[in-house]
Amino acid sequence: EDQVTQSPEALRLQEGESSSLNCSYTVSGLRGLFWYRQDPGKGPEFLFTLYSAGEEKEKERLKATLTKKESFLHITAPKPEDSATYLCAVQPRGGSNYKLTFGKGTLLTVNP
Amino acid sequence: DTGVSQNPRHKITKRGQNVTFRCDPISEHNRLYWYRQTLGQGPEFLTYFQNEAQLEKSRLLSDRFSAERPKGSFSTLEIQRTEQGDSAMYLCASSLRPRREGALGELFFGEGSRLTVL
Repeated sequence: EDQVTQSPEALRLQEGESSSLNCSYTVSGLRGLFWYRQDPGKGPEFLFTLYSAGEEKEKERLKATLTKKESFLHITAPKPEDSATYLCAVQPRGGSNYKLTFGKGTLLTVNP
Repeated sequence: DTGVSQNPRHKITKRGQNVTFRCDPISEHNRLYWYRQTLGQGPEFLTYFQNEAQLEKSRLLSDRFSAERPKGSFSTLEIQRTEQGDSAMYLCASSLRPRREGALGELFFGEGSRLTVL
């Protein structure tokens, strides 16, 4: 069964203090790995898709990387507005072409 | 606003009652998804529509749950004989067919419909 594990469950940073969130996955082949951001009471908002090991994508202070077993979301010099839950999801190769399996997320709090 | 719209945003009901949620996707999106999210968990896939055809249903979708997408536009998710375990946020998402073959592409989520079953 496909599994996605995110760590840490919660992370508290000071403004400007860079860090990384981890997403480890177990799937029978990976078609795509997705990162979403979710604010309280809102639906997830798409950030990145990564398709193959070694791939990297950046957006403002966020950078996502992918290996064969895990993905990292690096946050450089975070600001309070980066506070949110960050969700990782996988689309496995084979089986469903339409289903994402999500992790539980990492709750990030950035203090001013 | 041209995003995914969900109604109602909040629904409180008594156990045993039926509830229906509506999702209006982004107009040019032919793919529509329903997910369920409970507190402290990530979203769980429920079902997928491509145009009006329901192509996939999760085992989570018991026979008390039914979803439709008449004419390939808006979608409804109905829960019959609600149970306390049905309390959750019900999320709808839509997408275009992605450029990359077999990939899911970017899902655009609505703000969700929160169900509380007393």
